[in-house]
Amino acid sequence: GQQVMQIPQYQHVQEGEDFTTYCNSSTTLSNIQWYKQRPGGHPVFLIQLVKSGEVKKQKRLTFQFGEAKKNSSLHITATQTTDVGTYFCAGPLYNFNKFYFGSGTKLNVKP
Amino acid sequence: DAGITQSPRHKVTETGTPVTLRCHQTENHRYMYWYRQDPGHGLRLIHYSYGVKDTDKGEVSDGYSVSRSKTEDFLLTLESATSSQTSVYFCAISEKGQGATEAFFGQGTRLTVV
Repeated sequence: GQQVMQIPQYQHVQEGEDFTTYCNSSTTLSNIQWYKQRPGGHPVFLIQLVKSGEVKKQKRLTFQFGEAKKNSSLHITATQTTDVGTYFCAGPLYNFNKFYFGSGTKLNVKP
Repeated sequence: DAGITQSPRHKVTETGTPVTLRCHQTENHRYMYWYRQDPGHGLRLIHYSYGVKDTDKGEVSDGYSVSRSKTEDFLLTLESATSSQTSVYFCAISEKGQGATEAFFGQGTRLTVV
């Protein structure tokens, strides 16, 4: 079964509000990746985190990798309608070549 | 966008028939993957390839087979399609293993088994 869990499953926010999605693994991850999928589109790579406690920023997006390398979060400050989509975390489990995706968090932003 | 082409983009097929989906890349990347996407399940790895004629199973490989005879092509075959295989199928490529580098996804194939 899936061992990379992601919460929440859905999030509805008003434009300008902040948004956070969380990713948890049952095992230690060597690294974690985040992807965004727009409605009707395909997943697009956002970022990769490798180091324990790592924090990376991309404009309004902040990505964190937990100290134990078992969890990660994506925080969006002041959401915009262009942020609409599903955000996935993904990590290699057991085999460096096998990447397992979380179930995703679907973000809807009301203008 | 990376040079990945999936074909067909849409297909309706009958239960029990074999179906082959094709993924073609122009990036010369070593690794290729097949995922299926279903509501509430995210993306689940079916099979992947780490080189020509080198493949391995993912987490949902039952009922699927793959082949990679050339670097640029990765075929996914549903040996005898079932309604539970109705899904959106994505191909992905990466230069190194996905644990090392980002994956680039194709546009997806929507398969309906009736």
